[in-house]
Amino acid sequence: QSVLTQPPSVSGAPGQTVTISCSGSSSNLGAGYDVHWYQHLPGTAPKLLISYNTNRPSGVPDRFSGSKSGTSASLAITGLQADDEGDYFCQSFDIGLSGRGREVFGGGTRLTVL
Amino acid sequence: QVQLVQSGAEVKKPASSVKVSCQASGDTFDSYGIAWVRRTPGQGLEWMGGIIPAFGTTSYAQKFQGRVTFSADASTTTAFMELNTLTSDDTAVYYCARDVVGSHFFDPWGQGTVVTVSS
Repeated sequence: QSVLTQPPSVSGAPGQTVTISCSGSSSNLGAGYDVHWYQHLPGTAPKLLISYNTNRPSGVPDRFSGSKSGTSASLAITGLQADDEGDYFCQSFDIGLSGRGREVFGGGTRLTVL
Repeated sequence: QVQLVQSGAEVKKPASSVKVSCQASGDTFDSYGIAWVRRTPGQGLEWMGGIIPAFGTTSYAQKFQGRVTFSADASTTTAFMELNTLTSDDTAVYYCARDVVGSHFFDPWGQGTVVTVSS
């Protein structure tokens, strides 16, 4: 059971927009910790897509955008392309009950381009 | 621009150990940490912990505490992850990634090392 909750799968046709949600709690997103998003395509290394909730690193197309509010965050992908197909993960920091922090990932969302 | 290159695939017997290396190029170890993350078959990404090579400071996810050791050699800008007492549940792709201290995100990532645990 992941600390951050994502839908297992989303799908969309080429050109459409999809949104992937990431739900946390008061010990991570709700505590003010930022959310970051990664794209993991088959046979490749994970790639940072969005940092600090909304920031797009250099080289990431503006089709990808992130947002965060309270204990939730989302990743939007507009103008879907076939090579967007893969897995997407949100990640944040969780302070936990013991006060010993740890990095946590969502369970991942498989994007299928129809 | 930092690039991370990991060691090759490993096949291990249960109860044995594996040591994976991660060599950084394009920067020194002075300004960042190295995190270790794995992806098991059919599962998501799992943070194992990391090391700040400049200080030798390590942090371990509770799940792996006592079974994993992170180390680094600044002279070769290489970080290492050693996982002991392997079981089939440790079959996974292991990634290293740069962790800018205080940023809590990982970029870039190494290409991954496949570790297969099988009798």
